This record gives sequence, C-alpha cells and structure tokens, in this order.
Amino acid sequence: SYELSQPPSVSVSPGETASITCSGDKLWIRHTYWYQQKPGQSPVLVIWQDSKRPSEIPERFSGSSSGNTAILTIYGTQEMDEADYYCQAWYSNTATFGGGTKLTVL
Amino acid sequence: EVQLVQSGVEVKKPGESLRISCEASGSDFTTYWIGWVRQKSGKGLEWMGNIFPDDSDTTYNPSFQGQVTISVDKSTSTAYLQWTSLKATDSGMYYCARYRRYYDFLSGYHGQFDVWGQGTLVTVSS
Repeated sequence: SYELSQPPSVSVSPGETASITCSGDKLWIRHTYWYQQKPGQSPVLVIWQDSKRPSEIPERFSGSSSGNTAILTIYGTQEMDEADYYCQAWYSNTATFGGGTKLTVL
Repeated sequence: EVQLVQSGVEVKKPGESLRISCEASGSDFTTYWIGWVRQKSGKGLEWMGNIFPDDSDTTYNPSFQGQVTISVDKSTSTAYLQWTSLKATDSGMYYCARYRRYYDFLSGYHGQFDVWGQGTLVTVSS
C-alpha cells in the first residue's frame, strides 16, 4: 500500500505564510490533491493536480510538488484558514489520504 | 453545478444491515464517478471506493473490499453504500463525493474529489 505523511500540526501567525508538507514515495509522479476541512463540515478541494486551484478558492492557496514531497502554501494566512488539511494521491488505482495537518492561526 | 445530498443519521445495532444514499442533481449523473470516503470520529479520511454510474464500473479500496457494496440507481441519480452486517467499528461519518478522473501514462488513473455531500453519520452500538 502507499503511504502519505503529513505533520500533525502547523501553527502560523495571521498574515504570515503557512506551509504544509506531504511526503510519499515518488510523489511527484502521482499528482497531489489537497483538501481543507473545518470542524463539522465536509472537506473542500483547495488544490488539484499538485498546483491547480479551483476558481472558488482564494489565490493565497498554492501547491507545488517535487521529488517525494508536495507542499501546500497559504500566503497571508487568515483566521478563516484554520482547519485540518489533507493531502491525497493515487497509487495503483487506489486513493490514499495523508493523516491530516491541523493548521492553527494564532 | 453538481450537488450531492446524502441520507440522514443512522443508529443501528451490530449485525444489522444498512444502506445509505447520495442523490446527485445539477449535472448528468452518468458522466462522472462517485466516491465514498469514511471518517471516524476525530480521525482522518479513508477512501472506500468509486463507482461510475453509466456502467456501474466499481473500484474498491482493498481495505473495504468485501465489507461494503457500492451501487447506483441511474433512474434516480442516486449512489448507495451498503452493509449486510454492521460492526461497531463501522461507526463514523460517510461522505460521498464527485470524482473527476484523469489518466496519464506516468501516473495512471488519478483525480480529485471536487464536490462533496454533507455526510451521513452512522452509529453502530448495542
């Protein structure tokens, strides 16, 4: 099976840049997807195919991938960005999610 | 704009059967995949499987193969997730989501879950 690793938590001050990493074997080949989930809500897609942003997602969300690591970057982080973030990739037609990263904005 | 509306909260006993639903509206149901994702309380997301409504082509996460059945009714644009004998460990929130699938030679099949249902909470307890 394929595994994705994320840090359990990341903290950032309002207005600063937050970076959340996701690591997996040869991840750059597989395309990484990122989801935001706020308490009591369904997940929301924020980045697809490593770096593409859905039209409804603010420009401050950005994604990149190289080697074994994908990164979700949030520029000018706002309090509303506080949430759990999950990366996801496919391996052998099976979807795998990372364990999730709790982003705290304080 | 696709919308996915899931059935309501379920409270069941171990050994009982259950089918939860996910009704799609706003787009041609047969042109995209539907996936199911489990989230246990306070835990992360787990992909269970996908189905393509047009021909009921289904793929399962090996961890869920044989434990659940994913199906569709094209006439009502509804996808289903079914158990024949629930266990306490099946308790959790279950989400359906639209899965946009792509293929490339290097990555194989891949894609995003871009529209999510509101979730169905399933509690299995004696």
